[in-house]
Amino acid sequence: TQLLEQSPQFLSIQEGENLTVYCNSSSVFSSLQWYRQEPGEGPVLLVTVVTGGEVKKLKRLTFQFGDARKDSSLHITAAQPGDTGLYLCAGTNTGNQFYFGTGTSLTVIP
Amino acid sequence: KAGVTQTPRYLIKTRGQQVTLSCSPISGHRSVSWYQQTPGQGLQFLFEYFSETQRNKGNFPGRFSGRQFSNSRSEMNVSTLELGDSALYLCASSLEQPYGYTFGSGTRLTVV
Repeated sequence: TQLLEQSPQFLSIQEGENLTVYCNSSSVFSSLQWYRQEPGEGPVLLVTVVTGGEVKKLKRLTFQFGDARKDSSLHITAAQPGDTGLYLCAGTNTGNQFYFGTGTSLTVIP
Repeated sequence: KAGVTQTPRYLIKTRGQQVTLSCSPISGHRSVSWYQQTPGQGLQFLFEYFSETQRNKGNFPGRFSGRQFSNSRSEMNVSTLELGDSALYLCASSLEQPYGYTFGSGTRLTVV
């Protein structure tokens, strides 16, 4: 069962554009993480959010956890080629089990 | 601080063979999880070990097994390999929630 749906699945944009990636679920999570993965490597943790409505910023990346802790978004301002990669969200609940989203493949064209 | 180390990085095996993959977690991380990643299925959870005990298990056949040692190092084994087992196998270690995973670089397994 796929608990987390991400949209869009693929995204190709020009350098300098803004974009938003969504991570949605019908389940409530105690925390949610965002990862970025480059080809041939493991995912790298970008952020963890734990409180409903929480907003975290990491340079040009803004992460928001939904008020009901069922969804999240990742907004990138002025995208750069170095932002290219597969973005994955993951929700956790009791028992330390992680549920990964379907992934969004982002390509930023110079 | 050393990251999560997976060995080997690349592996080519023949159908019917078995394979063992190794993972050394970050020092102090007692939870080690394994994932299979393929283009079509994304990240699929295999199992999680905590203090040498399997704590969570995904929906994979019994050919996939794992174990964890007292130093938290973990191994996973796949017996009677099938072509569909070709994938990137990722190991991740973590502290307890709400901390996220630290992943290794993965082992790319190709079954021919």
